[in-house]
Amino acid sequence: QSVLTQPPSASGTPGQRVTMSCFGSSSNIGSNYVFWYQQLPGMAPKLLIYRNDQRPSGVPDRFSGSKSGTSASLAISGLRSEDEADYYCAAWDDSLSDGVFGGGTKLTVL
Amino acid sequence: QVQLQESGAGLVKSLETLSLTCTVSGGSISSYHWSWIRQSAGKGLEWIGRIYTSGSTNYSPSLKSRVSISVDTSKNHFSLRLNSVTAADTAVYYCARDRGGWGEVWFESWGQGTLVTVSS
Repeated sequence: QSVLTQPPSASGTPGQRVTMSCFGSSSNIGSNYVFWYQQLPGMAPKLLIYRNDQRPSGVPDRFSGSKSGTSASLAISGLRSEDEADYYCAAWDDSLSDGVFGGGTKLTVL
Repeated sequence: QVQLQESGAGLVKSLETLSLTCTVSGGSISSYHWSWIRQSAGKGLEWIGRIYTSGSTNYSPSLKSRVSISVDTSKNHFSLRLNSVTAADTAVYYCARDRGGWGEVWFESWGQGTLVTVSS
C-alpha cells in the first residue's frame, strides 16, 4: 500500500464543491511540501497544485490545496464534468529519502 | 512550451535491462532537473529517480541497486536503465521535468508515457 493515504473514490454533481484528503506522517507531509496531480483517463498525470497551495499557470482557481499538520486536502469548486479524473497527492519522505505518492482518489461527476 | 517524449523497447525479457530515453524539445535540458516516474496497476505511481543540472543523481531506495539515469546534453535527452527486470517492473514509464529537486516531488511537465512489459 501507499505511504500517503487517499480515499479511493469521491463524487459530486456539477457545480458542487468537493474535497479530497491525503493523510501522511511527520516524515512526509508533516515536514515537506505537498503536490497534487490530476490524471485524466488515458493521459499522463498533470501538475495541479505545488508547494501545498500554489497553482501552476493555466490551472483554474476552482482548484485549491491546503495542508495542516500531517494531512492535506484538495478542493474543487464549481465541479465540471471534465474534472472527472484520478487525483494523486505526493510528498517527499525524509525517513525513506524517497518521493512518495498516495494511491489516488477517483473523482466521479454524477 | 517544453515537450517530453519517451522512447525505447516496449517488451523486455525477464532479468534483462530496460532502457528508455526521454527527448526534450522546446527548452534546454541543461537548465532543469529531470525525473523518471512509473505507474503500475499494482503499485500506483512510483518515483524512480532524478538527475540534477549538475549531473548528479538520486534514486528511490527501492530501486537504487538496479537503476541509473544519465543525460546527453548534445542530444537534449536523458535516459533510464533498469537492470535485472522482473514482472514487477511492468509499468507505464513517464519522464518529467523536475522543478524541485531534493525534498520535493514537483514534476511540472510530463511525457505521454510508454508501456514497458517484462516477459518471461
